[in-house]
Amino acid sequence: EAAVTQSPRNKVAVTGGKVTLSCNQTNNHNNMYWYRQDTGHGLRLIHYSYGAGSTEKGDIPDGYKASRPSQENFSLILELATPSQTSVYFCASGDLGNSDYTFGSGTRLLVI
Amino acid sequence: QQQVRQSPQSLTVWEGGTTVLTCSYEDSTFNYFPWYQQFPGEGPALLISILSVSDKKEDGRFTTFFNKREKKLSLHIIDSQPGDSATYFCAASERGSALGRLHFGAGTQLIVIP
Repeated sequence: EAAVTQSPRNKVAVTGGKVTLSCNQTNNHNNMYWYRQDTGHGLRLIHYSYGAGSTEKGDIPDGYKASRPSQENFSLILELATPSQTSVYFCASGDLGNSDYTFGSGTRLLVI
Repeated sequence: QQQVRQSPQSLTVWEGGTTVLTCSYEDSTFNYFPWYQQFPGEGPALLISILSVSDKKEDGRFTTFFNKREKKLSLHIIDSQPGDSATYFCAASERGSALGRLHFGAGTQLIVIP
C-alpha cells in the first residue's frame, strides 16, 4: 500500500542542536511538502519539492532547510533548533498537477 | 496574506445533529476545493472534494457546497456521530498547475457529544 512514512515519531532536541526529520513515500509522487501544525495556525508550508534535487521555499522557511536526494525521500533540517520550532511536523506527497495529498503521521518535536 | 479563511475555530454538536463548517477564499484562480479530516495523532486525510464547475457534492453523510460568486464553500455533516470528532481543514488550489499546491484554512476542531 502506498504510503508516507515519517521518522522519528517523537523527538526531543536541545536548543542550538541540529535536527533532521525524515520522510519517505512509496506513492511515486513528484511533489513533496513539509508543514508544521500549531494550534490556531493550521498547516503552514515550510518547504516543498518538485522532484529529486529540487527544493523550494514555502511560506515560513526561515530556520529550516530541506533536502530531496531521491524521488522517495525528503528531509527537513533544523541547523540550529530553537524552542519556537517546537511543533508537530507533517510531510505530504502529491502527484504533478493533482492537488490531493497523502500525509504522513507526523513528527512531534520538542526543543528544550 | 491568508488565502483561505475557515470558521469556526471549534464547534461542539450533539450526536444526531447537523454540523456546518465554512470557508472563504481570495484567489479567483482556485478551482479545486478539498476537505481534509484529521484525527488526534494522525495526519490529515482527504475526506471530500469539489471542483469549481460543481456547486454540490455528496458522500454519505458529508456534503460540500461551493459558491463561486461569493468565493465560499461549506461542509455539512448530517446525523453527526462521536466518531466524526476530529479537526477539519478546508483547502484550495489551482488544479492542473505544475505545482498543484494546496492552501489550507486554519482548521475547525469538531467535538460530537453522545
